Amino acid sequence: SQTIHQWPATLVQPVGSPLSLECTVEGTSNPNLYWYRQAAGRGLQLLFYSVGIGQISSEVPQNLSASRPQDRQFILSSKKLLLSDSGFYLCAWSQGIKGYTFGSGTRLTVV
Amino acid sequence: SQQGEEDPQALSIQEGENATMNCSYKTSINNLQWYRQNSGRGLVHLILIRSNEREKHSGRLRVTLDTSKKSSSLLITASRAADTASYFCATGLTTDSWGKLQFGAGTQVVVTP
Repeated sequence: SQTIHQWPATLVQPVGSPLSLECTVEGTSNPNLYWYRQAAGRGLQLLFYSVGIGQISSEVPQNLSASRPQDRQFILSSKKLLLSDSGFYLCAWSQGIKGYTFGSGTRLTVV
Repeated sequence: SQQGEEDPQALSIQEGENATMNCSYKTSINNLQWYRQNSGRGLVHLILIRSNEREKHSGRLRVTLDTSKKSSSLLITASRAADTASYFCATGLTTDSWGKLQFGAGTQVVVTP
């Protein structure tokens, strides 16, 4: 069966520090991969999506970047975090027009 | 503004009652999906309805889609305390071929015993 792993679950980082969030998918190949951010009590904002290794599309210009070094690995990074980067980050995968499978999320607090 | 917007923003009901929430969107879609999110967790896919469908059922869930009004509704029948969660609609646009979804801000549902 397909599973998605996202870590860490929570993270507190100082302003100006780097960030690396990782997401891996098991049980499928060539999935579409997505990074979303959710502000408290709000909907989801699409940050990046990828349809293949090394193929990254950015939806919103920001302080973040994404990479897909392997077929089932999606990484969200920042060189220098800002206070406004705080939020709940969610990774998801899909294939075709089907429902997304989401990871359990990472709660990032930038202090 | 977001493509999908849920209404109401919050809903409080008692166990056994039905819960209805609506979603309106702005541009042409090829599918609409509903998700549930328990507090502090990831989203769980509930149901997908394609643009050529008008109604779908899954257990206690019933989803309708009216493309002429650009709206959808999610009905939860005989609600339970475990249905307490936020519910989001998400739309897949006809202009997008990569399966991207745009999410609304959600409806927060509280079911009291």
